[in-house]
Amino acid sequence: ETGVTQSPTHLIKTRGQQVTLRCSSQSGHNTVSWYQQALGQGPQFIFQYYREEENGRGNFPPRFSGLQFPIYSSELNVNALELDDSALYLCASSLEYGNTIYFGEGSWLTVV
Amino acid sequence: QQQVKQSPQSLIVQKGGISIINCAYENTAFDYFPWYQQFPGKGPALLIAIRPDVSEKKEGRFTISFNKSAKQFSLHIMDSQPGDSATYFCAALSLDTGNQFYFGTGTSLTVIP
Repeated sequence: ETGVTQSPTHLIKTRGQQVTLRCSSQSGHNTVSWYQQALGQGPQFIFQYYREEENGRGNFPPRFSGLQFPIYSSELNVNALELDDSALYLCASSLEYGNTIYFGEGSWLTVV
Repeated sequence: QQQVKQSPQSLIVQKGGISIINCAYENTAFDYFPWYQQFPGKGPALLIAIRPDVSEKKEGRFTISFNKSAKQFSLHIMDSQPGDSATYFCAALSLDTGNQFYFGTGTSLTVIP
């Protein structure tokens, strides 16, 4: 168990809609990252938050946005959903940036 | 461009055999290399990790071999068991920037009883 919990576990959305995914990090971890994992692929970095500030972003458009809250929680928002957004979204936390990351079980998003 | 290249895509090994998965990278700024194990429907779980100041790290049946000059590293699973059947991902990070892990494309390992 990594102590990282995500919700919801599965959801289905329609193209054009918006979605919010939530993550509760391991206690004491002040860095949270979000990754997208398409079927049969490795995780791709979306962005990272360190002490509630964005600390790096991968190759994802601005319609992917996030927030990190005090007391180890975070959310990923995706606007104007596209079919290609269908994937497993993974939250990962670490003690500090540059440290080992620990993944949650993920949220499966299907866009129809 | 794939920052970390992983092979093979899939691997079938007999129980008790050795499973070997290879990864290669180009960015010499990478200085932390973990391996993750992922079961269907689950998130990746950290298995073992290495930094380039050592050439080998062993934890139980799992060993990472690291070749800094060749920019390659590999995972060896000794005495492979059916319970090891999973997808394995290598990854790389630059500790200086510290924010983005680059993952390989994964290797699906099947251990036959």
